[in-house]
Order: sequence, then C-alpha cells, then structure tokens
Amino acid sequence: GQNIDQPTEMTATEGAIVQINCTYQTSGFNGLFWYQQHAGEAPTFLSYNVLDGLEEKGRFSSFLSRSKGYSYLLLKELQMKDSASYLCAVTRNDYKLSFGAGTTVTVRA
Amino acid sequence: DTAVSQTPKYLVTQMGNDKSIKCEQNLGHDTMYWYKQDSKKFLKIMFSYNNKELIINETVPNRFSPKSPDKAHLNLHINSLELGDSAVYFCASSQGPSGSTGTDTQYFGPGTRLTVL
Repeated sequence: GQNIDQPTEMTATEGAIVQINCTYQTSGFNGLFWYQQHAGEAPTFLSYNVLDGLEEKGRFSSFLSRSKGYSYLLLKELQMKDSASYLCAVTRNDYKLSFGAGTTVTVRA
Repeated sequence: DTAVSQTPKYLVTQMGNDKSIKCEQNLGHDTMYWYKQDSKKFLKIMFSYNNKELIINETVPNRFSPKSPDKAHLNLHINSLELGDSAVYFCASSQGPSGSTGTDTQYFGPGTRLTVL
C-alpha cells in the first residue's frame, strides 16, 4: 500500500511564494507527479520528478528526495488564478498512480 | 480539439438504474483510466486498460464494468446505481502505463458528475 500526506489548506498573498509539502511511504516507488485542479475542473499536469533534485518550470518548481520520501511544489509570484487544489501523486511499478487528498491553496489580494 | 472527452458531463438518475459513461481520447495513447472523485475531493483509481487489456482493477463493486472497444475508447457501465455512487468520474489517458518512466503522464477528461437520487 501507500500513504501520501499533504496539508489540507494553505493561504498566501498575491505575489508571495508558497511551498506545498508532500510525504509518501510506498513500495515500488517510480516517480512523483504534481497536478493542479481548479474547482469543478479536471486535474492538469504540472510536474514530474523521478530523480532527486529540483525541476523548474517558470513560476512552478518541484523537488524530490527519494531517500526521504519527500517532495515539495513551490509556487512563486502567486497570482489569483493559482487558487486551486494541488495534488501530489505517486507512481509505482505496478502501474498504479495514487493521489494524496490535495492541498487547497487560496490566494488573497 | 479536445484531447480527452467524456459524455455526458452531468448525469442525474434514480437509484437502481443502469447507466453508462463514455470516454474518448485523440492523443494516440495506449493506456486509459477511470477515476472516482468523491465529495472530499479524493481521487481514486478504479480501472486501467493498456492496449485494450485490463491492467488495473481496484476493489470496486462488480456493478461497475469497464469496456474498451479500442485503444481510443474506454467506457464505464454501472448497474443498479446506489446513492454512494454519486461522485465525479474522471477518465484519463497516458502514452504508457503508470510506472513506465517518461510516458506515463496522465491527461484527464473534464469529468462526469453523477448524482443518484
């Protein structure tokens, strides 16, 4: 089985930086995804980490430490449109993608 | 062009009815999935097909039956609907199965909101 933990909610101000942590315990770990889901919409792909280290994509960065079972998603220069749920998801060697419960980020003016 | 599409978008039905949800992807992917997202927003895998072969079959009531007529389509049929089946059902696809590094990014359809009365 697997256990994926991330905070339930976070609030930040427009223009600020927010870091969403995700810890996982799983066998057969293959890689870690971050998805963004706006209310009433489908999840959309943000990032994918397989190796340890930081992956940067514009205002979004994702970090992975396989030995610590830890990842974070960093959102910089927050915009109102970044208000959404952010889902951490782990892939395993048995074809399964397992999602955490998601972190709802609220950006305030 | 819509990459992953689902029909219907909304489905309201009575308990005990049988209903189907359809999914189509035009990305040329080999793998398709059905997920259930409940009221607490938790997204849970139900089924996955790779090249029309069932590769994931989670602990789901046998009232749920997926069918993949070809690689581009994955339908979900639900018999004897119950109140607890109310949720949003998402279809997704990826080039290869989850765990196949580099080809397993999943792309989601818009979801079907099922309400059972």
